[in-house]
Amino acid sequence: QQQVKQSPQSLIVQKGGIPIINCAYENTAFDYFPWYQQFPGKGPALLIAIRPDVSEKKEGRFTISFNKSAKQFSLHIMDSQPGDSATYFCAASRGNYQLIWGAGTKLIIKP
Amino acid sequence: ETGVTQSPTHLIKTRGQQVTLRCSSQSGHNTVSWYQQALGQGPQFIFQYYREEENGRGNFPPRFSGLQFPNYSSELNVNALELDDSALYLCASSRRDNEQFFGPGTRLTVL
Repeated sequence: QQQVKQSPQSLIVQKGGIPIINCAYENTAFDYFPWYQQFPGKGPALLIAIRPDVSEKKEGRFTISFNKSAKQFSLHIMDSQPGDSATYFCAASRGNYQLIWGAGTKLIIKP
Repeated sequence: ETGVTQSPTHLIKTRGQQVTLRCSSQSGHNTVSWYQQALGQGPQFIFQYYREEENGRGNFPPRFSGLQFPNYSSELNVNALELDDSALYLCASSRRDNEQFFGPGTRLTVL
């Protein structure tokens, strides 16, 4: 019940394309769903987060779509750039307490 | 940059030794969480400290211990190091129940 399943494991997209990363959770008590971006040798950086009272949230080129009934959420990156190449993690928690993380998606944006 | 700092950056130890990792939280934050990130995996929650008290613990043995100081900085101590303890150790600071901001991590190698 504590797992967060993330897919795909890796993703290659042409510059300007829209990579989509998906996550699924089991614990219905989770009420906070952040996405983190991590570059090699660096700590994760918070990109965007959503709570289950909304179905979509946009911040700049990043959008989270949230489907409470399916217990799924996804990250979309609009107009992707080579600088977006990184590992992306979804996570979930109850009250932003103990974050439960997905396994990560290694994203490569080709010029 | 998040304002969360960790030291040292890298550390090499041998099996059976003890190690202390340090974290300075972002100004205004009173909560520190520690995570272990093995190579190619998502972070795993070790424990969290709130106002100098342990506020929850993940599935880690007692040889992983911590401390939070009055200025909200924190230490992670690991005794009797094992080869599997080799990982990136991440510290995240936050105000209670708000977004967690991560430091750059300490890369621990156990030989």
